[in-house]
Amino acid sequence: KQEVTQIPAALSVPEGENLVLNCSFTDSAIYNLQWFRQDPGKGLTSLLLIQSSQREQTSGRLNASLDKSSGRSTLYIAASQPGDSATYLCALAYSGAGSYQLTFGKGTKLSVIP
Amino acid sequence: NAGVTQTPKFRILKIGQSMTLQCTQDMNHNYMYWYRQDPGMGLKLIYYSVGAGITDKGEVPNGYNVSRSTTEDFPLRLELAAPSQTSVYFCASSATTREFFGPGTRLTVL
Repeated sequence: KQEVTQIPAALSVPEGENLVLNCSFTDSAIYNLQWFRQDPGKGLTSLLLIQSSQREQTSGRLNASLDKSSGRSTLYIAASQPGDSATYLCALAYSGAGSYQLTFGKGTKLSVIP
Repeated sequence: NAGVTQTPKFRILKIGQSMTLQCTQDMNHNYMYWYRQDPGMGLKLIYYSVGAGITDKGEVPNGYNVSRSTTEDFPLRLELAAPSQTSVYFCASSATTREFFGPGTRLTVL
């Protein structure tokens, strides 16, 4: 069974810092990996999706990388802002559960202090 | 284009009661999903559907039922509510791999 782990569970940084969120997984036979953002009391918003054949994806100040061989993905946030405060979840689809079923980590709660 | 909508936003049930959580999407997506999220946990898949008339169990299907009579709607049914079903329920839809989520329904069973 796939296990998805996100470390740290919570992170607090001052505004303007660059930061990295980590996601690790146990079964490397994945189809894709997504990073989501969840604001309190809200649904999830997909930030970046990396296909199995890709190494990274970028969107604005966000960069996500994928290393299947080591079972790791990172989400890099440049020049953090208070508006980045949210919980970030990684989720992946893997062959053991079907290409359209996502397995989620528990998330990292990010606080950016002004 | 409303995306994925869910009703109700909040609900309190007594043990043994039944209810249906509604989910509608207007993006003509074939794939639809129901997840539950418990405090401090990631989302767990309850049921999913790959098209009208086709549904299948996810990781935690016990105590729930679904139907998919149209492309747009994917209701989730709780027949005999139990305290263990207290959670936030999210519906999602997708055309391919990127899933779009609704705002969630917060359910409390007392």
